[in-house]
Amino acid sequence: QKEVEQDPGPLSVPEGAIVSLNCTYSNSAFQYFMWYRQYSRKGPELLMYTYSSGNKEDGRFTAQVDKSSKYISLFIRDSQPSDSATYLCAMNRRNTPLVFGKGTRLSVIA
Amino acid sequence: KAGVTQTPRYLIKTRGQQVTLSCSPISGHRSVSWYQQTPGQGLQFLFEYFSETQRNKGNFPGRFSGRQFSNSRSEMNVSTLELGDSALYLCASSWVGGRQETQYFGPGTRLLVL
Repeated sequence: QKEVEQDPGPLSVPEGAIVSLNCTYSNSAFQYFMWYRQYSRKGPELLMYTYSSGNKEDGRFTAQVDKSSKYISLFIRDSQPSDSATYLCAMNRRNTPLVFGKGTRLSVIA
Repeated sequence: KAGVTQTPRYLIKTRGQQVTLSCSPISGHRSVSWYQQTPGQGLQFLFEYFSETQRNKGNFPGRFSGRQFSNSRSEMNVSTLELGDSALYLCASSWVGGRQETQYFGPGTRLLVL
């Protein structure tokens, strides 16, 4: 079993839809959880960062962490064509390397 | 504040050659991590340098090496290139000392080995 599992998609939604992206993980020691967005031929860009369990909201984006289920989610409200990208979840313990999911490719159709 | 920069952006090499990639972190960031990204394996951690010392190392062969200079700039070297080394090589920098060392990525160097 891989440490972090993420459905690769592709996921295609109409503009304005609510998007739900998810990752599961096996290492209960992970404390820090991140979502990165990566456009084609670019480096990953940090979107959201959450410490331990709970929710965090930033504009149209909401990150949720459920440590009891080892499950994290990213919700995108009112999705736009400019949200079309690959979304990567990442997590770690303090002072250890990030472990990434393989990414979910999202297309938002106008 | 300028972001992480990586040079060169694109590189074509042949099997058996060696290559050196460069990374300049965000000003004030003293930790630099390197990752390899491929369609099959995703993002995999290579190594991390902090204050010119390797702090963490991933599960890659010894052909992959790196170093960090006193100004925090970092280089990674791959010797005896293999076809499977074709990938996007990403560098990320972070500020050390906070609760979490959030990593910020550069645009990457795309390496093609023929």
